[in-house]
Order: sequence, then structure tokens, then C-alpha cells
Amino acid sequence: QKEVEQDPGPLSVPEGAIVSLNCTYSNSAFQYFMWYRQYSRKGPELLMYTYSSGNKEDGRFTAQVDKSSKYISLFIRDSQPSDSATYLCAMRQSAGNMLTFGGGTRLMVKP
Amino acid sequence: GAVVSQHPSWVICKSGTSVKIECRSLDFQATTMFWYRQFPKQSLMLMATSNEGSKATYEQGVEKDKFLINHASLTLSTLTVTSAHPEDSSFYICSAREGTTHSPLHFGNGTRLTVT
Repeated sequence: QKEVEQDPGPLSVPEGAIVSLNCTYSNSAFQYFMWYRQYSRKGPELLMYTYSSGNKEDGRFTAQVDKSSKYISLFIRDSQPSDSATYLCAMRQSAGNMLTFGGGTRLMVKP
Repeated sequence: GAVVSQHPSWVICKSGTSVKIECRSLDFQATTMFWYRQFPKQSLMLMATSNEGSKATYEQGVEKDKFLINHASLTLSTLTVTSAHPEDSSFYICSAREGTTHSPLHFGNGTRLTVT
């Protein structure tokens, strides 16, 4: 079993839909949680960064962390075709540098 | 925000030659940079941690003599793929952290290496 599990998709939604992306993890020591967006042939771009449990909102994006369930989510409201990309969750322990990535979910938003 | 610049964005080389990839933190200093490798439709795999002024730390299974890392300044780390083989063809991405260890990683745009 991988340390971080993420459905690879692809997830296809119509423009304007609310998108829900999720990751589960097994290591309870993870404290910092990130979501990255990666366009084809580009490096990952940081979208959201949260510490411990709770919600964080930034524009159309909302990140949720539920440490009791070892489950994190990224919601995208009013999805746009430009949101079409691969979304990677990543997490790390409090004192460590090493990021553990999910495998990524490919999202397609159709106009 | 923090910007990490990577150069070149793509390179084609012949088997047996060496290729150098540069990673720069443009508006911040980074004592630590990280080098990742990504195969098509797969996630990022950490290759090594580059420490300014000291030797890099390599992940298990990564040949340090093949993937030479030099972190000569607080804004520049280089990865040299020596004696490249076609199986080294991949997408190489560097990253750096601005600020403390609590800060998130920012990534460069990657270098696509093709070895013929």
C-alpha cells in the first residue's frame, strides 16, 4: 500500500462544475499538506498549503484536511477549461524536509 | 511569490555525453534544493537533496556518480547527468523552499531530457 493514495482519473467535468479531488494517507505523522497543479510538460505549481486539520480558502479553491480520517480534499468552484491539469497532493512531517506525493489526478474541464 | 527558474527547458543529447541542468532561486536564497525525476503519467520521485556548501544527499537507488549535484551558492544548484543513456531520458524538476522548513516547496518548470 502506498503512503499516499490518489485516484489517477481522468476526471471529466463540464465547465462551471464543482470539482472534488481527494487523497488518503496512512502516516499519521504528516502535518503539512499541499496541493499542486501541473500542466503538461511543466513543473508543479503550488495552489494550497495547509498545516494540520481545517479548511483554507483561496479564490475558487478550498482545501480541507481531516487528520482523524487521514483524508484531504481540494475543491474547485466554477471550474474552467484552464483548470484542466494534473493535481498532485503532497504532504510532509513536521520536522522533515521530504515531501511525499500522491500519484496525481488528471482533471479535464470541458467547455 | 517565490520563483524557481530551471534551464534548459528541454535538451537532446547523444548517448555517452553529459548534460548539465541549472536550477536557480530568483528572488530568495535557498540553502536546500531538491531534484526530482518524473516519468510520463507518474508522480515525482525525489532523487537527491542538494545542500549549499556540502555534499548532496541521494535517495536509495540513485547513483551519485551518475547524477552529480553541485550547490555552489545560495541561489544555484546544478544537476549533471554523466555518460547519459537512453534510459536516463525523463523529466527532471528542481525545487526550493523559501524561508524556514515550515515553508512549502516551489518548483521549477522542469527539463525534458532525451538521450538518443
